[in-house]
Amino acid sequence: GAVVSQHPSRVICKSGTSVKIECRSLDFQATTMFWYRQFPKQSLMLMATSNEGSKATYEQGVEKDKFLINHASLTLSTLTVTSAHPEDSSFYICSPMHGNYGYTFGSGTRLTVV
Amino acid sequence: GQQLNQSPQSMFIQEGEDVSMNCTSSSIFNTWLWYKQDPGEGPVLLIALYKAGELTSNGRLTAQFGITRKDSFLNISASIPSDVGIYFCAGNNYGQNFVFGPGTRLSVLP
Repeated sequence: GAVVSQHPSRVICKSGTSVKIECRSLDFQATTMFWYRQFPKQSLMLMATSNEGSKATYEQGVEKDKFLINHASLTLSTLTVTSAHPEDSSFYICSPMHGNYGYTFGSGTRLTVV
Repeated sequence: GQQLNQSPQSMFIQEGEDVSMNCTSSSIFNTWLWYKQDPGEGPVLLIALYKAGELTSNGRLTAQFGITRKDSFLNISASIPSDVGIYFCAGNNYGQNFVFGPGTRLSVLP
């Protein structure tokens, strides 16, 4: 159980365009979704926390207008990187919670902005 | 804010050797997790610890939740080439996001 599907796994986009990353919980419902970002040779850093049907809570330094999070259902959350710039190139990972203690991670999306 | 430290930062070992790495925190946690991440992939859970003093094994891996709730260690016995990767510890308190350590990069020499 607790299967997570995240896609795309890799995406290359031009500067100024937007990219949407999807995260689906396939066999459970996730009321809370965490989105992390990982730069090369660094650890995972929390970007935002979203609860189904509510606005996401963003960590300090993460622009909410740039990283749009939608968590409209218990099985799907999306992260849209708007007007992407090369400095947004990173590895983005979703982490839906299942139950009170279940923590899973998507396989990640490697974004490269050229 | 909460910070985690992992040591060593990196290690090179011979195949067959045992490995030990640890994680310390500036504050207490209720849950400790150990993950392994391969290049280009998301983290994969190895062991979850929910109680101070808990010692849990998963095959050749053994992890312990420190009594003070501010530390944890991970041991790998009889390492094999596929153990290569980055090992992250992560801690949290119920319902909250995880704080990740900076990782320990393990290289296994044949």
